[in-house]
Amino acid sequence: DIQMTQSPSSLSASVGDRVTITCQASQDISNYLNWYQQKPGKAPKLLIYDASNLETGVPSRFSGSGSGTDFTFTISSLQPEDIATYYCQQYDNLPPSTFGQGTRLEIK
Amino acid sequence: EVQLVQSGAEVKKPGESLRISCKGSGYSFTSYWISWVRQMPGKGLEWMGRIDPSDSYTNYSPSFQGHVTISADKSISTAYLQWSSLKASDTAMYYCARLNIPAFSTWGQGTLVTVSS
Repeated sequence: DIQMTQSPSSLSASVGDRVTITCQASQDISNYLNWYQQKPGKAPKLLIYDASNLETGVPSRFSGSGSGTDFTFTISSLQPEDIATYYCQQYDNLPPSTFGQGTRLEIK
Repeated sequence: EVQLVQSGAEVKKPGESLRISCKGSGYSFTSYWISWVRQMPGKGLEWMGRIDPSDSYTNYSPSFQGHVTISADKSISTAYLQWSSLKASDTAMYYCARLNIPAFSTWGQGTLVTVSS
Protein backbone atom coordinates (compact mmCIF):
# COMPACT_ATOMS: atom_id res chain seq x y z
CA ASP A 1 0.00 0.00 0.00
CA ILE A 2 1.06 3.58 -0.61
CA GLN A 3 1.75 5.43 2.63
CA MET A 4 1.04 9.15 2.93
CA THR A 5 3.13 11.14 5.42
CA GLN A 6 1.56 14.47 6.28
CA SER A 7 3.23 17.21 8.29
CA PRO A 8 2.98 18.92 10.62
CA SER A 9 0.42 17.01 12.68
CA SER A 10 -0.70 20.27 14.26
CA LEU A 11 -0.16 23.91 13.51
CA SER A 12 -0.96 27.18 15.25
CA ALA A 13 -1.05 30.37 13.21
CA SER A 14 -2.45 33.88 13.34
CA VAL A 15 -5.24 35.32 11.21
CA GLY A 16 -3.69 36.59 7.98
CA ASP A 17 -0.72 34.20 8.12
CA ARG A 18 0.35 32.04 5.21
CA VAL A 19 -0.02 28.40 6.19
CA THR A 20 1.65 25.44 4.48
CA ILE A 21 1.05 21.72 4.94
CA THR A 22 3.06 19.02 3.20
CA CYS A 23 2.21 15.49 2.17
CA GLN A 24 4.75 12.92 1.02
CA ALA A 25 3.86 9.68 -0.76
CA SER A 26 5.87 6.50 -0.32
CA GLN A 27 6.03 6.13 -4.09
CA ASP A 28 5.33 8.16 -7.21
CA ILE A 29 1.61 8.97 -7.46
CA SER A 30 1.87 11.48 -10.32
CA ASN A 31 -0.73 14.18 -9.48
CA TYR A 32 -3.32 11.79 -8.01
CA LEU A 33 -3.61 13.71 -4.77
CA ASN A 34 -6.60 15.42 -3.16
CA TRP A 35 -6.96 17.70 -0.13
CA TYR A 36 -9.92 17.77 2.27
CA GLN A 37 -11.00 20.01 5.12
CA GLN A 38 -12.84 18.60 8.12
CA LYS A 39 -14.39 20.89 10.70
CA PRO A 40 -15.26 19.49 14.14
CA GLY A 41 -18.37 17.33 14.06
CA LYS A 42 -18.70 17.61 10.28
CA ALA A 43 -18.01 15.45 7.27
CA PRO A 44 -14.87 16.14 5.23
CA LYS A 45 -15.12 18.62 2.37
CA LEU A 46 -13.13 18.45 -0.86
CA LEU A 47 -10.94 21.51 -1.44
CA ILE A 48 -8.31 20.52 -4.01
CA TYR A 49 -8.25 17.66 -6.54
CA ASP A 50 -5.52 16.41 -8.85
CA ALA A 51 -2.95 18.14 -6.62
CA SER A 52 -3.67 21.69 -7.77
CA ASN A 53 -7.24 22.10 -9.00
CA LEU A 54 -9.59 24.12 -6.82
CA GLU A 55 -13.00 22.56 -6.28
CA THR A 56 -15.91 24.74 -7.38
CA GLY A 57 -16.96 27.20 -4.70
CA VAL A 58 -13.77 26.92 -2.65
CA PRO A 59 -12.11 30.25 -1.84
CA SER A 60 -9.04 31.11 -3.88
CA ARG A 61 -6.88 31.51 -0.75
CA PHE A 62 -6.60 27.72 -0.82
CA SER A 63 -4.13 26.18 -3.25
CA GLY A 64 -2.17 23.02 -3.87
CA SER A 65 0.94 22.05 -5.76
CA GLY A 66 3.31 19.16 -6.35
CA SER A 67 3.64 15.93 -8.26
CA GLY A 68 5.39 12.61 -7.89
CA THR A 69 5.95 12.12 -4.16
CA ASP A 70 5.93 15.63 -2.69
CA PHE A 71 2.88 17.84 -2.36
CA THR A 72 2.03 21.12 -0.68
CA PHE A 73 -1.23 22.67 0.48
CA THR A 74 -1.31 26.40 1.18
CA ILE A 75 -3.70 28.88 2.73
CA SER A 76 -2.47 32.27 1.57
CA SER A 77 -4.14 34.30 4.31
CA LEU A 78 -5.59 32.37 7.23
CA GLN A 79 -9.17 33.20 8.19
CA PRO A 80 -10.94 32.26 11.44
CA GLU A 81 -13.31 29.95 9.56
CA ASP A 82 -10.33 27.90 8.31
CA ILE A 83 -9.92 26.25 11.70
CA ALA A 84 -10.18 22.57 10.89
CA THR A 85 -8.21 19.41 10.28
CA TYR A 86 -6.81 18.98 6.79
CA TYR A 87 -6.14 15.64 5.07
CA CYS A 88 -4.36 14.63 1.91
CA GLN A 89 -5.55 11.54 0.02
CA GLN A 90 -3.94 9.52 -2.77
CA TYR A 91 -5.89 7.59 -5.36
CA ASP A 92 -3.13 6.47 -7.71
CA ASN A 93 -3.11 2.95 -6.33
CA LEU A 94 -6.67 2.02 -5.47
CA PRO A 95 -7.60 -0.09 -3.66
CA PRO A 96 -6.82 1.03 -1.17
CA SER A 97 -7.01 4.76 -1.29
CA THR A 98 -5.07 6.20 1.61
CA PHE A 99 -5.27 9.40 3.62
CA GLY A 100 -2.54 11.28 5.41
CA GLN A 101 -2.69 11.41 9.20
CA GLY A 102 -4.21 14.88 9.20
CA THR A 103 -3.04 18.35 10.23
CA ARG A 104 -4.98 20.12 12.96
CA LEU A 105 -4.94 23.87 12.36
CA GLU A 106 -5.56 26.26 15.24
CA ILE A 107 -5.65 30.02 15.61
CA LYS A 108 -2.82 31.50 17.68
CA GLU B 1 -28.85 18.98 -5.28
CA VAL B 2 -26.58 15.95 -4.97
CA GLN B 3 -26.99 14.43 -1.53
CA LEU B 4 -26.00 11.36 0.44
CA VAL B 5 -28.16 10.82 3.52
CA GLN B 6 -27.04 8.23 6.03
CA SER B 7 -29.02 6.30 8.62
CA GLY B 8 -29.00 7.36 12.26
CA ALA B 9 -26.70 6.61 15.14
CA GLU B 10 -26.59 3.05 16.47
CA VAL B 11 -25.74 1.58 19.87
CA LYS B 12 -24.99 -2.12 19.80
CA LYS B 13 -23.50 -4.84 21.97
CA PRO B 14 -20.41 -6.87 21.00
CA GLY B 15 -21.35 -9.81 18.81
CA GLU B 16 -24.46 -8.18 17.38
CA SER B 17 -24.96 -7.58 13.69
CA LEU B 18 -25.60 -4.22 12.07
CA ARG B 19 -26.30 -2.66 8.70
CA ILE B 20 -26.10 1.07 8.10
CA SER B 21 -27.27 2.83 4.97
CA CYS B 22 -26.44 5.68 2.62
CA LYS B 23 -29.14 6.96 0.25
CA GLY B 24 -28.18 8.97 -2.78
CA SER B 25 -30.37 11.59 -4.43
CA GLY B 26 -30.09 14.32 -7.02
CA TYR B 27 -27.98 12.28 -9.44
CA SER B 28 -27.84 8.96 -11.30
CA PHE B 29 -27.00 6.58 -8.45
CA THR B 30 -25.58 3.90 -10.74
CA SER B 31 -23.09 6.28 -12.40
CA TYR B 32 -20.79 6.86 -9.42
CA TRP B 33 -18.91 4.58 -7.08
CA ILE B 34 -19.74 4.87 -3.37
CA SER B 35 -16.96 4.48 -0.79
CA TRP B 36 -17.12 4.00 2.96
CA VAL B 37 -14.67 5.78 5.27
CA ARG B 38 -14.09 5.10 8.96
CA GLN B 39 -13.08 7.67 11.56
CA MET B 40 -12.37 6.30 15.00
CA PRO B 41 -12.78 8.69 17.94
CA GLY B 42 -10.19 11.45 17.74
CA LYS B 43 -8.45 9.80 14.80
CA GLY B 44 -8.01 10.26 11.07
CA LEU B 45 -9.82 9.01 7.98
CA GLU B 46 -9.51 5.41 6.77
CA TRP B 47 -10.80 4.22 3.40
CA MET B 48 -12.66 0.94 3.88
CA GLY B 49 -13.85 -0.01 0.43
CA ARG B 50 -16.09 0.93 -2.45
CA ILE B 51 -18.95 -0.35 -4.55
CA ASP B 52 -20.08 0.23 -8.11
CA PRO B 53 -23.86 0.48 -7.66
CA SER B 54 -24.50 -0.45 -11.30
CA ASP B 55 -23.33 -4.04 -10.80
CA SER B 56 -22.41 -4.23 -7.08
CA TYR B 57 -18.75 -4.87 -7.85
CA THR B 58 -16.73 -4.14 -4.72
CA ASN B 59 -13.14 -3.45 -3.66
CA TYR B 60 -11.99 -3.52 -0.05
CA SER B 61 -8.99 -2.20 1.80
CA PRO B 62 -6.95 -5.17 3.08
CA SER B 63 -7.46 -3.75 6.56
CA PHE B 64 -11.23 -4.26 6.31
CA GLN B 65 -11.55 -7.23 3.93
CA GLY B 66 -13.49 -9.98 5.66
CA HIS B 67 -14.63 -7.74 8.53
CA VAL B 68 -17.33 -5.78 6.75
CA THR B 69 -19.56 -6.19 3.73
CA ILE B 70 -20.46 -3.41 1.33
CA SER B 71 -23.58 -3.79 -0.78
CA ALA B 72 -26.08 -1.69 -2.72
CA ASP B 73 -29.68 -1.74 -3.88
CA LYS B 74 -29.84 0.37 -7.01
CA SER B 75 -33.62 0.19 -7.10
CA ILE B 76 -33.74 2.44 -4.04
CA SER B 77 -30.42 4.28 -4.62
CA THR B 78 -28.96 3.02 -1.36
CA ALA B 79 -25.59 1.63 -0.37
CA TYR B 80 -24.96 -0.37 2.80
CA LEU B 81 -22.17 -1.22 5.19
CA GLN B 82 -22.71 -4.22 7.39
CA TRP B 83 -21.12 -6.24 10.14
CA SER B 84 -22.05 -9.79 11.17
CA SER B 85 -20.41 -9.62 14.59
CA LEU B 86 -19.49 -6.23 16.02
CA LYS B 87 -16.52 -5.59 18.27
CA ALA B 88 -15.85 -2.72 20.62
CA SER B 89 -13.12 -1.61 18.22
CA ASP B 90 -15.79 -0.96 15.56
CA THR B 91 -16.90 2.08 17.55
CA ALA B 92 -16.44 4.95 15.12
CA MET B 93 -18.07 7.45 12.81
CA TYR B 94 -18.70 5.99 9.37
CA TYR B 95 -19.04 8.14 6.27
CA CYS B 96 -20.18 7.27 2.80
CA ALA B 97 -18.78 9.34 -0.05
CA ARG B 98 -19.47 9.60 -3.76
CA LEU B 99 -16.49 9.23 -6.03
CA ASN B 100 -16.71 11.87 -8.74
CA ILE B 101 -13.40 10.99 -10.34
CA PRO B 102 -10.86 11.88 -9.17
CA ALA B 103 -12.13 12.73 -5.69
CA PHE B 104 -14.82 12.27 -3.07
CA SER B 105 -16.88 15.33 -3.92
CA THR B 106 -19.98 14.51 -1.88
CA TRP B 107 -20.11 13.03 1.60
CA GLY B 108 -22.88 11.76 3.82
CA GLN B 109 -23.38 13.33 7.22
CA GLY B 110 -21.91 10.31 8.99
CA THR B 111 -23.32 7.51 11.12
CA LEU B 112 -21.97 7.06 14.63
CA VAL B 113 -21.71 3.42 15.65
CA THR B 114 -21.12 2.68 19.33
CA VAL B 115 -20.38 -0.86 20.41
CA SER B 116 -20.43 -1.39 24.15
CA SER B 117 -21.47 -4.07 26.58
